[in-house]
Amino acid sequence: NAGVTQTPKFQVLKTGQSMTLQCAQDMNHEYMSWYRQDPGMGLRLIHYSVGAGITDQGEVPNGYNVSRSTTEDFPLRLLSAAPSQTSVYFCASSQAGVYFHEQYFGPGTRLTVT
Amino acid sequence: SQQGEEDPQALSIQEGENATMNCSYKTSINNLQWYRQNSGRGLVHLILIRSNEREKHSGRLRVTLDTSKKSSSLLITASRAADTASYFCARQGTYNTDKLIFGTGTRLQVFP
Repeated sequence: NAGVTQTPKFQVLKTGQSMTLQCAQDMNHEYMSWYRQDPGMGLRLIHYSVGAGITDQGEVPNGYNVSRSTTEDFPLRLLSAAPSQTSVYFCASSQAGVYFHEQYFGPGTRLTVT
Repeated sequence: SQQGEEDPQALSIQEGENATMNCSYKTSINNLQWYRQNSGRGLVHLILIRSNEREKHSGRLRVTLDTSKKSSSLLITASRAADTASYFCARQGTYNTDKLIFGTGTRLQVFP
């Protein structure tokens, strides 16, 4: 199994540009999520999904959109990039359930917005 | 902020010493997890402890949970240089149970 994969690994955008960060998992996990990691801030939840067709907002959703058309994929879209979105983005997945299971993380996408 | 607080923010020790990291939170939890992150990499799950458990072990790792004090600690015994990493706690609250909220992390440096 490849686990959780993310593309691209690195990306530089100009302010106002849009792009999609890709995330895929091959473990048949129902739960998927996106986090951003900034220095000194730990990980902050952007959006999450408890299954195909179902998404919801996390702690810092503004400026980002998600969709979940399949169990495997959970792309994150930046609508109009801003320098404040410079960060490292992590996708994670896990089994679903009332109680959280172990989260599997992707390797991250390092995004710089100039 | 919903984030928990981890203490200390940074910790430097010699190989062979024990390392203790603490995590505090403000609201009731269903479970709490600990993760490790090596520099420039994704997070790796270490231990999950449920709200009705007080202690769990995994190899050289020992996690305790005190729900009355709303705190957890991670103890790494006989540290090795390879344990150098950042360590994060993450909790699932009893409200908004679909969200896993991470703390700010402890940076551990183990010198050989």
